[in-house]
Amino acid sequence: DIVMTQSPLSLPVTPGEPASISCRSSQNLLHRNGNNYLHWYLQKPGQSPQLLIYLGSNRASGVPDRFSGSGSGADFTLKISRVEAGDVGIYYCLQTLQNPETFGQGTRLEIK
Amino acid sequence: QVQLQESGPGLVSPSQTLSLSCTVSGDSISSGGYYWGWIRQHPGKGLEWIGYVYSSGSTYYNPSLQSRLKMSLDTSKNQVSLTLRSVSAADTAVYYCARGKRDYDTFDIFSQGTVVTVSS
Repeated sequence: DIVMTQSPLSLPVTPGEPASISCRSSQNLLHRNGNNYLHWYLQKPGQSPQLLIYLGSNRASGVPDRFSGSGSGADFTLKISRVEAGDVGIYYCLQTLQNPETFGQGTRLEIK
Repeated sequence: QVQLQESGPGLVSPSQTLSLSCTVSGDSISSGGYYWGWIRQHPGKGLEWIGYVYSSGSTYYNPSLQSRLKMSLDTSKNQVSLTLRSVSAADTAVYYCARGKRDYDTFDIFSQGTVVTVSS
């Protein structure tokens, strides 16, 4: 199985400040078609997950442009340019290149 | 607006079969471009991918569950079903059904989730 490793696991951020979450995979997620099969989700407290970024760097519908995804191969980053109170929750990366699809362990973002 | 709603027992006895249904509204499960699946979340833990099924009937399961798992589509009811046999306490979790978008190659919409407890 592909192992997904996120860091940090806990991320306290002051509102208005930027935040960055790293996700590293044990195998290359870049397909020969040019897509990176890496996605980002946010699970707000008490809610189901919501898709933020798909295929490495594409924002899902309705996701603010404060959120951006970058990286390729086995090293990816989710960035929030200016954190807001509503961004609290657990952020997960997910690889869909290989069965079984596997999630990172999650990064808990909290407001300072 | 697409919505997904699960139904099924909240309590299942050990060694019995867990059956969940997910009713889809606002979209047809037969429509191209999408697939339908499940993830789960053990108490206080992260997310685990269970698998999915295409409108063609093709299925992709987590190998750790494959021997006990079945997913299917009921187009007459616009429902997605999950059957997990021989459950144990390790199957206690919140189960989410989800829609996958082929262009994204990932799930883009989730249900609210249903709590399933395996206990005698």
